[in-house]
Amino acid sequence: DQQVKQNSPSLSVQEGRISILNCDYTNSMFDYFLWYKKYPAEGPTFLISISSIKDKNEDGRFTVFLNKSAKHLSLHIVPSQPGDSAVYFCAASPSGGSYIPTFGRGTSLIVHP
Amino acid sequence: KAGVTQTPRYLIKTRGQQVTLSCSPISGHRSVSWYQQTPGQGLQFLFEYFSETQRNKGNFPGRFSGRQFSNSRSEMNVSTLELGDSALYLCASSAQQVSYEQYFGPGTRLTVT
Repeated sequence: DQQVKQNSPSLSVQEGRISILNCDYTNSMFDYFLWYKKYPAEGPTFLISISSIKDKNEDGRFTVFLNKSAKHLSLHIVPSQPGDSAVYFCAASPSGGSYIPTFGRGTSLIVHP
Repeated sequence: KAGVTQTPRYLIKTRGQQVTLSCSPISGHRSVSWYQQTPGQGLQFLFEYFSETQRNKGNFPGRFSGRQFSNSRSEMNVSTLELGDSALYLCASSAQQVSYEQYFGPGTRLTVT
């Protein structure tokens, strides 16, 4: 039973356009959410995070939106660049002593020049 | 500051054998976590060590074990290897005991034949 779902295995976007990656979760105990980016042959790299007390967090070209009532978050990349082509993982952590994150299966983003 | 390093990067083993993977965290980081990534799957949490103590453990059989040394370096051991253990094993370190943002190594690609 997947508690964190990334329903789109892949996404293709034109350079300069917006990329929107989606993530749904089922566990209402999750209160901290993260996005990681992974290039081939490298480990994931932390990208951006959001706490459940916020509904938006922005960092340069990257913005994460959280809709707690829908248990949905999304990552917006504007404008998309070819170097953004990678696999993006959504992760969610519960509050309290055990912060063990649960990861989605990832979405492969391809940005075409 | 040097990143998280993992050795070896690639490994081929035979069913029934055992294997030990090594991880050196970022200098000053005391928390080390291990993850398994298989094709089409997200990262699945194995265990976390902090100050030489296992703090959290994921839902994996007892064949998977680990330890952490006083210099924060960590090792992970898998005994009686099965074909399904073929995966990318990722190590991540973080500075604090409870830290949501982790820094990942490049991983060890284990192939079991």
